Formats: sequence, structure tokens, C-alpha cells
Amino acid sequence: GDQVEQSPSALSLHEGTGSALRCNFTTTMRAVQWFRKNSRGSLINLFYLASGTKENGRLKSAFDSKERYSTLHIRDAQLEDSGTYFCAARSNYNVLYFGSGTKLTVEP
Amino acid sequence: EAAVTQSPRNKVAVTGGKVTLSCNQTNNHNNMYWYRQDTGHGLRLIHYSYGAGSTEKGDIPDGYKASRPSQENFSLILELATPSQTSVYFCASGDAWTVNERLFFGHGTKLSVL
Repeated sequence: GDQVEQSPSALSLHEGTGSALRCNFTTTMRAVQWFRKNSRGSLINLFYLASGTKENGRLKSAFDSKERYSTLHIRDAQLEDSGTYFCAARSNYNVLYFGSGTKLTVEP
Repeated sequence: EAAVTQSPRNKVAVTGGKVTLSCNQTNNHNNMYWYRQDTGHGLRLIHYSYGAGSTEKGDIPDGYKASRPSQENFSLILELATPSQTSVYFCASGDAWTVNERLFFGHGTKLSVL
């Protein structure tokens, strides 16, 4: 079965607002990455976490291995934030599992 | 749910040998992608395809060729494998050619070039 459940699958925000994306894991993961896909298919690294939280500009991510989830918070959303965001989690057996992605649309 | 299957799951190759990594998807997606995943680099795009018969260079195409003989299949070819190509390779298919495309990933192929 799927090891990573990412939600929501689609999200629409107005400029200036914020929300959170979430990945739940069915098993203990030792690290998580968040990516954003550009229009060509390249995946841009946003965060890598083995624990705790990290913040970069208007993005903040948290990872709780014990509770089996990770979040990506976006605040003050801008039009250029639109795109698809993915989480990928690494298991204790060093296998990488991907979420199915969240399509974010930021509207004026 | 989209199914993307990669083969082999593990491969050991010798320097200078030819390696072919295969990817099959069963959801009739037009777009397919090959990435490699290395510590410190995240996922890097090697080649991609818009549909059967098309291949496009990604961000790191050198040393790799790709082939898309059908909608379902997308192969990554290393004509002369080198140790620097030791990595984990992921194939993905995409459901739309827009910035909001969702990607569905295979389980990865671990390649070791000795």
C-alpha cells in the first residue's frame, strides 16, 4: 500500500493568505523532503528535515517522525507560488516514498 | 491510482558497459520523466517525454539517452556507464502539461557502476 498520503490533492488560495500541506506516513520515516515542480518537470528542493522545523521565507516545514507526519506551511501566498508540491519520505530502510502531490493555485 | 513500474529494482554494472533502465506506466499519461536522486542534490531531471516518439533533455542529460517507443514505456539508456552514474533513478509519469501537473513515481532503481 501507499506509504505516504499527501493532502490536499488540490488547493486554491487568494493572494496574501496561507495554508498548510500535509503528508502522513504509514510507517516510521527518518527524513522528509519537500519539492516544488516547475513547468518543465524539474523538482526544486524546498526543505530537507530529519526532525523539527525549518523556515525559509514564506515557507515553513515541520517533521514529526514519531507522529508520522510532515507539514509545509505557506503564508502570504503569491501568484508565483502556484505549482505542484511534493513530499518524499525516507524510510528506516533507506527507501524513498513519494506523496502524490498537491496542486496549488494562487488567485488574485 | 496511477501505476508506474520500474525495472530492474537493483542493477550492478561495470564501467563502460551499457545499462538500460525501464519504466512502464498504465494510466495513459502523456508525460514521463527520469530523475536521479543523490545525497545533497535532491532529485535532478535527466530526460523527459511529451508522448510516444518524443524525448527532451532535462537538467543533467549528459551521459544518458532516453527512448519513448510507446505511451506506456520510457527507457533510460547509459551507453557507457561510469561510476559517477551510481545513483538511485526514479521514473515518473505526469497527468497534465501544466504547472499544476501531478507526478506519479515508480519505486526507484538502484544502480551501482563498478
